[in-house]
Amino acid sequence: DTAVSQTPKYLVTQMGNDKSIKCEQNLGHDTMYWYKQDSKKFLKIMFSYNNKELIINETVPNRFSPKSPDKAHLNLHINSLELGDSAVYFCASSRTGGETQYFGPGTRLLVL
Amino acid sequence: QKEVEQNSGPLSVPEGAIASLNCTYSDRGSQSFFWYRQYSGKSPELIMSIYSNGDKEDGRFTAQLNKASQYVSLLIRDSQPSDSATYLCAVNDYGQNFVFGPGTRLSVLP
Repeated sequence: DTAVSQTPKYLVTQMGNDKSIKCEQNLGHDTMYWYKQDSKKFLKIMFSYNNKELIINETVPNRFSPKSPDKAHLNLHINSLELGDSAVYFCASSRTGGETQYFGPGTRLLVL
Repeated sequence: QKEVEQNSGPLSVPEGAIASLNCTYSDRGSQSFFWYRQYSGKSPELIMSIYSNGDKEDGRFTAQLNKASQYVSLLIRDSQPSDSATYLCAVNDYGQNFVFGPGTRLSVLP
């Protein structure tokens, strides 16, 4: 069983489009995260949710909107995609904040 | 701004040698420290976590933490070609905020 899953794995789209990435964890964890890893491989936290509540919202354009329908799911919606949004987006979860994170396989987003 | 720094490498070691990876962090309030390994095109996976000063060993891996010097390291003994990957240091303040370093690329030569 996959612990943290993301869909889709690859996403190629045009500038200006709106897209969503879904994440699900079956570990029973309370905390979920979204990270962006750019072309230089720098992994940077975007959002953190604890039990469906937004805890961390780093300096991310408001075109990015996370949604957590329940504590097992954290989705990421991106409006008006830009070239600079091209990156790998990782979802992760941990039992509570500050504990070991388990990462999903990543979604490779390419904006043309 | 909390920062975590690592040498970007690549760090090249011969097979069977000890690889030493270093990480420094800026936030004195940091409480938990993690080493992740990331193979090219894959997601990060946990190698070690460490919470208190001193050494922590797990198989061929030893993590060392010195909070006074704001320094954490990872030693890999008997390095294998399969250890070739990027190693990410992550630091947390017991909240939800994790800060990752830029990673050190390790290459183990057969």
